Amino acid sequence: EPEVTQTPSHQVTQMGQEVILRCVPISNHLYFYWYRQILGQKVEFLVSFYNNEISEKSEIFDDQFSVERPDGSNFTLKIRSTKLEDSAMYFCASSVDRARYGYTFGSGTRLTVV
Amino acid sequence: AQTVTQSQPEMSVQEAETVTLSCTYDTSESDYYLFWYKQPPSRQMILVIRQEAYKQQNATENRFSVNFQKAAKSFSLKISDSQLGDAAMYFCAWGSGAGSYQLTFGKGTKLSVIP
Repeated sequence: EPEVTQTPSHQVTQMGQEVILRCVPISNHLYFYWYRQILGQKVEFLVSFYNNEISEKSEIFDDQFSVERPDGSNFTLKIRSTKLEDSAMYFCASSVDRARYGYTFGSGTRLTVV
Repeated sequence: AQTVTQSQPEMSVQEAETVTLSCTYDTSESDYYLFWYKQPPSRQMILVIRQEAYKQQNATENRFSVNFQKAAKSFSLKISDSQLGDAAMYFCAWGSGAGSYQLTFGKGTKLSVIP
C-alpha cells in the first residue's frame, strides 16, 4: 500500500537553529499538508499546499515557517529559528482530492528543541 | 469555525467486548466528511473509517462501524470484538468538501483494552 514517507524520524536541534523536515507524499496525490502534535495534545493544522502554492495556513504558521516542493516529489517544512515551543511531532499528509477520501499521514518527525 | 468534540478522554474495554467512542461536531456546511483516525503508541495516524455526510448509510470496515446522526451532528465509532491491538488514541476528524482544506480534529480518546 502506498505510504507517505517522512525523514528524519527524530531530530534534536539547538534553539535558534534552522531545521528542515522532509516528506515524500504519495505519488498521485495532489494536496499536501503539515500538521503538528505537541505531546498529549490535539493534532493541529499548519498548512496545506496545492498546485505549487500554499492554499491555506493556520495562525501557527507564521513567518518562521515555510514549505517547498522543490523537485516534484519531496515536500519540505522549514522552521527558520526554532524555539523551545516548537518541540512537537510533525506530521506530513497527502490526499487525492482534499478531504474526500481522507488524508494519508506519514509516521511523523519528532522534533526536540533544546 | 468548525469544532469537533470528543467528551471521553479515556475509555477501557475488555478483550472481545464492544466499545463505543463518542464524537460530536459543529458545522454550517452541507458537504463534508467525517473520519476516525487511530494513533497507536508508534504515533502513526491511521485512517480507520470515513463517512460522507450526504450518505445516510453508516460506514462499516470489518469490526469498526459508525453511528452517524446528521441532525444531531454526532459521529460515534463502535469497535466490536475488541482486540489488544485496538489499544490506541482515537481521533475524530471533520473535513470540508469544498471549503477549508484542513481536517479539524477532536482532542482524542485513549482506549485501553483489558486482557
